[in-house]
Amino acid sequence: DIQMTQSPSFLSASVGDRVTINCKASQNINKYLNWYQQKLGEAPKLLIYNTNNLQTGIPSRFSGSGSGTDYTLTISSLQPEDVATYFCLQHSSRPTFGAGTKLELK
Amino acid sequence: EVQLVESGGGLVQPGRSLKLSCVASGFTFSNYGMNWIRQAPGKGLEWVAYISSGSSYIYYAETVKGRFTISRDNAKNTLYLQMTSLRSEDTALYYCARHAFLDYWGQGVMVTVSS
Repeated sequence: DIQMTQSPSFLSASVGDRVTINCKASQNINKYLNWYQQKLGEAPKLLIYNTNNLQTGIPSRFSGSGSGTDYTLTISSLQPEDVATYFCLQHSSRPTFGAGTKLELK
Repeated sequence: EVQLVESGGGLVQPGRSLKLSCVASGFTFSNYGMNWIRQAPGKGLEWVAYISSGSSYIYYAETVKGRFTISRDNAKNTLYLQMTSLRSEDTALYYCARHAFLDYWGQGVMVTVSS
C-alpha cells in the first residue's frame, strides 16, 4: 500500500494567517489526492479533490497544489470556523490516509 | 442533500458477528460505488472495503479479507458490511462513504469488540 506522511501533526495559527499542510506519498499518486476537514463529532467533509479541485460549497480560501509525491493544502486566511482536523487521502490505488493535522487558533 | 446514515454498531464479543448498514439518500445510489472506512480509537483512518455500483467489483483491505463482506441493495438504497470472526483490533468507528474518491461520508457507527 502507498504510505502517506502528513505534516505537521499539530498547528497553531492566528486568524488571518496563511496556513499550509503537507502530504507526501511513498510513490507517485498522479494527483489522486483529496483533502478533508473533520470537526469534532462530525463527518469528514471533502474540501479538495484530485489535488486542486475545490468541492462545491467550499470557500475559496482553501486551495490545493502538488504533483508526483508531494501535495499541499493551503488556507489563505485562517478563519475561526476552520479549527478542525485536516487529513489527506490518496485514491491512486487502494485508498490510504494521512495521519491528520489538528489545527488550533493561537 | 446527500445523506449517509450508518447503523448496526454496538458491543460484541470476540469471534462473534455484526452487520452494519448505511442508508443513502439525496442521490441516485445505484450510480455510485461505495466504501467502508474505519478509525480505531486514537488511530488514523483505514479504508476497509469498496463495492462498485452494480456490485461487479469488490475489494477489501488485507486486514479484513475473508472475515468481512461488503454488499449493497440498490432497491433499498442501502450498503452493508457483514463482519464475522471479530477481533479486538476491529474496534473502531465505521464510516460509509460515497464514490471511489470518497466525496461524502456518514457520521459513523461505533463497533466495540470486547469480552
